[in-house]
Amino acid sequence: ETGVTQSPTHLIKTRGQQVTLRCSSQSGHNTVSWYQQALGQGPQFIFQYYREEENGRGNFPPRFSGLQFPNYSSELNVNALELDDSALYLCASSLPGLAAPYNEQFFGPGTRLTVL
Amino acid sequence: GEDVEQSLFLSVREGDSSVINCTYTDSSSTYLYWYKQEPGAGLQLLTYIFSNMDMKQDQRLTVLLNKKDKHLSLRIADTQTGDSAIYFCAEKGDDKIIFGKGTRLHILP
Repeated sequence: ETGVTQSPTHLIKTRGQQVTLRCSSQSGHNTVSWYQQALGQGPQFIFQYYREEENGRGNFPPRFSGLQFPNYSSELNVNALELDDSALYLCASSLPGLAAPYNEQFFGPGTRLTVL
Repeated sequence: GEDVEQSLFLSVREGDSSVINCTYTDSSSTYLYWYKQEPGAGLQLLTYIFSNMDMKQDQRLTVLLNKKDKHLSLRIADTQTGDSAIYFCAEKGDDKIIFGKGTRLHILP
């Protein structure tokens, strides 16, 4: 059973650019959530995808968007990057609520994004 | 609104017990969690407790839940150097998990 993987591990961009981060979910998991973790903070929920549809969104602007593919892998896209977007972006996969009522989410190691 | 608060730092001598405390605001949360984050690694679920329980024990870990005061604690018995990490308290929201800012546990020799 493979765990959650994310790519790239590190990324440097400049203000105004666009970025795509990728996540492969744990085998058998059809739900993917994305979190932003700024330095010294806890992870903040960006959105969740279930069966290729957005299934909940946190307090992030529309320039944060996502996709989920039929194999349950996922992308996070951020347009018009700002300095405050510098953070560790975490992807987590899980089973849907009824299958795992305590909603254990398995996290990947994250992508460290630096915006200059 | 939903909010989770925890102290930022804790120093404990090796072999002593560590107690990390947390308060949360959403009384409708069904599950509360403790996650561990080590440098360069993702978050690892340590343990969770269902909201109708007062206590849960799992080897060296003991979770206490005071639902009336919305207070959650994690006790790590016989703290080891490998326990050095950031510990996040979290509660289950509708479609998401709400995390605190994390408590950095430092182990003194």
